Parts: sequence; C-alpha cells; structure tokens
Amino acid sequence: DIQMTQSPSSVSASVGDRITITCRATQNIDRWLAWYQQQPGKAPKLLIYGASNLQSGVPSRFSGSGSGTDFTLTINSLHPEDFADYYCQQAHSFPLTFGQGTRLEIK
Amino acid sequence: QVHLQESGPRLVRPSETLSLTCTVSGGSIGTYYWNWIRQSPGKGLEWIGYFYYTGSTKYNPSLNSRVSISLDMPNNQFSLKLTSATAADTATYYCARRIVDGPGGIDHFDYWGPGILVTVSS
Repeated sequence: DIQMTQSPSSVSASVGDRITITCRATQNIDRWLAWYQQQPGKAPKLLIYGASNLQSGVPSRFSGSGSGTDFTLTINSLHPEDFADYYCQQAHSFPLTFGQGTRLEIK
Repeated sequence: QVHLQESGPRLVRPSETLSLTCTVSGGSIGTYYWNWIRQSPGKGLEWIGYFYYTGSTKYNPSLNSRVSISLDMPNNQFSLKLTSATAADTATYYCARRIVDGPGGIDHFDYWGPGILVTVSS
C-alpha cells in the first residue's frame, strides 16, 4: 500500500495568515493526488484534484502543487471558515489511501 | 446537484453483518464508481471499496474477505455488507461518488453523503 504522511499534524494560525500543509507519498504517484477539507461532524469536501486543479466552487485562496512524492496545499489569507481538518488522498494505485490529516486551528 | 444519503442500523452486534444503503438522487447511478469510505478515530479515513456500474468491484485487501458492495440500479441505490463485525468496525461510514477520467488526470471523490455512525457493540 502507498502510505501518505501529512505534516504538520496540527497547525495554529490567525485569520488572514497564509499556511502550507505538506503530504508525502511512500512512492511516486505522479499527480494523482486530491485534497479534502472536513468540518466537524461533516463529510470531507473536495478542494483540489490532480495535485493542482481547483474544484469548481472552491475559493481561489486554496491552491495545490507538487508531483511525484511531495505535495503541498496552501491557503492564502485564511478565512474563519477555513479552520477545519485537511486530508490528502492518493489515486495512483489500490487500495486508495488517505493521509492522517492536519488540523488547522485558530490561534 | 447530486445528493447521497446513507441509511441502515446504527447499532450492530459483534459477529453480525453490518449492512448500509446509499441512496443517490439528482443523477443516475448508471455511471461513475460508487464507493464506501469509513472514518474512525484510530484509523482515520479508510477506503473500503467500490462498485462500478458495469458490474466490476474492487475492495480494500484489509477487508476483502468480509466486504461486498452491490448496486440496485432501479432504485438508484448501492449497498455495503461487512460480515463478522467487531468493535474495530465502529466508525462513521460515508458513501461517495468517484469520478475517473484517466487521460484528463481526474480521479477523486467529488460527492459524499453526510455519513452514518455505526457502533458495533453487544
């Protein structure tokens, strides 16, 4: 199985800040990576697919980059509704696997 | 707009079969990959498997011998069965649509149900 490791596990930031979350795969997954946001008690919501493609309706302050084994999710100018959990997911091979998550908290 | 909704027993006895149904509205189930994913505090998000409308299935090897997913096209539903349930199967279960377009570099879960918490306990 491909293991996905996110860092940091949690991060504290303020409204207006810029943050970056990284996701590392144990083998080359090209650009077969998606990012999801999960609010408490809700299902994950797709943000980014294909490593850098913004899902329709997602604000442009979210962006993704990377290929191979190393990927990043960047959120520019944090809004109050951005404080949530974030997960990466690889779609290169089965079984499909997720990172362990990063919790974005208000400082 | 596509909507998915999980339903089924929220309490399952150990050794019994966990059975859930996902009802899809706003779109046909006759395309795409229909998936089950679960989330527990100890294991995070875990992909369980999919049923493709052509009849093909694929399951996570960690559950392979206990899981089956089926489609009920006339009712626009798909279902999960997980046999020999244990406390380790206690989780929130999500149904999700997976869209795949290899040449376009597309492979992700674009629609999710709200989730259903299933507890395995006597």
